[in-house]
Order: sequence, then C-alpha cells, then structure tokens
Amino acid sequence: KQEVTQIPAALSVPEGENLVLNCSFTDSAIYNLQWFRQDPGKGLTSLLLIQSSQREQTSGRLNASLDKSSGRSTLYIAASQPGDSATYLCAPKGNSWGKLQFGAGTQVVVTP
Amino acid sequence: KAGVTQTPRYLIKTRGQQVTLSCSPISGHRSVSWYQQTPGQGLQFLFEYFSETQRNKGNFPGRFSGRQFSNSRSEMNVSTLELGDSALYLCASSYSGGAGNNEQFFGPGTRLTVL
Repeated sequence: KQEVTQIPAALSVPEGENLVLNCSFTDSAIYNLQWFRQDPGKGLTSLLLIQSSQREQTSGRLNASLDKSSGRSTLYIAASQPGDSATYLCAPKGNSWGKLQFGAGTQVVVTP
Repeated sequence: KAGVTQTPRYLIKTRGQQVTLSCSPISGHRSVSWYQQTPGQGLQFLFEYFSETQRNKGNFPGRFSGRQFSNSRSEMNVSTLELGDSALYLCASSYSGGAGNNEQFFGPGTRLTVL
C-alpha cells in the first residue's frame, strides 16, 4: 500500500525566498507523480505532472524533480510571492485505475 | 476549454437523508474519479468510472455509490447520511485514468454538511 509523506507540514517564508517542498513515497512502482496546490475550501489545481521516466519538469517558477528509485520528489518554487500561499500536495500514480494517493500536504505562507 | 464542473457547490442535509452530487468532466475526458476530503483523513479515493463502468473502488461503505453516463458525466450518491459524511467531495477527470501522460484535473468540489 502506497504511503505518501510530505515534509515540512507547514512553512512560512518572506516574499522573494525560494521554497523547497519534499514528498516521499513508499512504493516506487509509479507511472507518474502530480503536484497540486489547494487554496482554502477550494478544489485542487494541477501544477506539474512528472512522468516516471523523467528526472525533472519545469513550468515557469516551478521545478519538480523525481527520484523514483529512492521514492522522492521535490517541488522548488523560485522567488516566492504572497499569491503562492496555499497547501501543496503531491500525488504519485500507481497501476490502480484513476487513483492518486495523496500526502497530507505542506501548508505554505509567504509574507509580504 | 471548460474545466471540470461540480454541482451543487454547497449542500446541507440531515442525518438519514440521501444526497446526489454531479460532476461534468473536461470535454474528451472519459475517466472520472471521486475523492472525499476531511480535515482528519485528508484526501481519500472513493471510486473511478470509465465508459460507464466502475473500474476501481476505495475503502468506503456501500452507502457510497456512483454512476457514469454515456456523455462521461458522473454522479455520486450517498444514502443514509451520517455526521461523519460531512466533507468536501471532489471529482477529477482525465483522458483515460491509466498510465502515461494522464494528468488529472479537479473540479471546485461540493461542500456537504450533515446536521
């Protein structure tokens, strides 16, 4: 059974600092891994999808790395802004139809 | 391209009642998955539908059921509501729900409160 852990659980940084969010998973037999952000009371917004054959994926200020063999993914957010304040969730996708396994998330606060 | 839509956005019910939630996936997506999100348990997978067939099911009691229509729209039903069913219910759509480049996109959710 896939277990997903996200560290830290919460993070507060001043605007302009880079953010590093960690995700670890126990079952390395994954097809891909998605990173999402969630604002309070809202749905999930997909940030990046990284395939199991990829080491990195980039979108604007976001960069996600994946080390499948060691069960780790890291999301980097460069030059953080107050609008980046949200909960960030990682979700590896195994061979189970439609099912993403989520971590508890990292709650990020970026102060002006 | 329109995103995933869910209706209604908010619902208040009393214990013992039943409720039906609706999800319309992104055009062209045939897989719809449902999740329950609570502060204590986080995001938990309920079930997945593809071409009107349930292909996968999470660990929820039989009071939770769903279906998918030929246009890929999906509904989930919860019967005999309990206080613990209060949650944000999210649906997600993807092209096929399988391996590969199958990014999942989520709707805004339905907030269910059971009194």
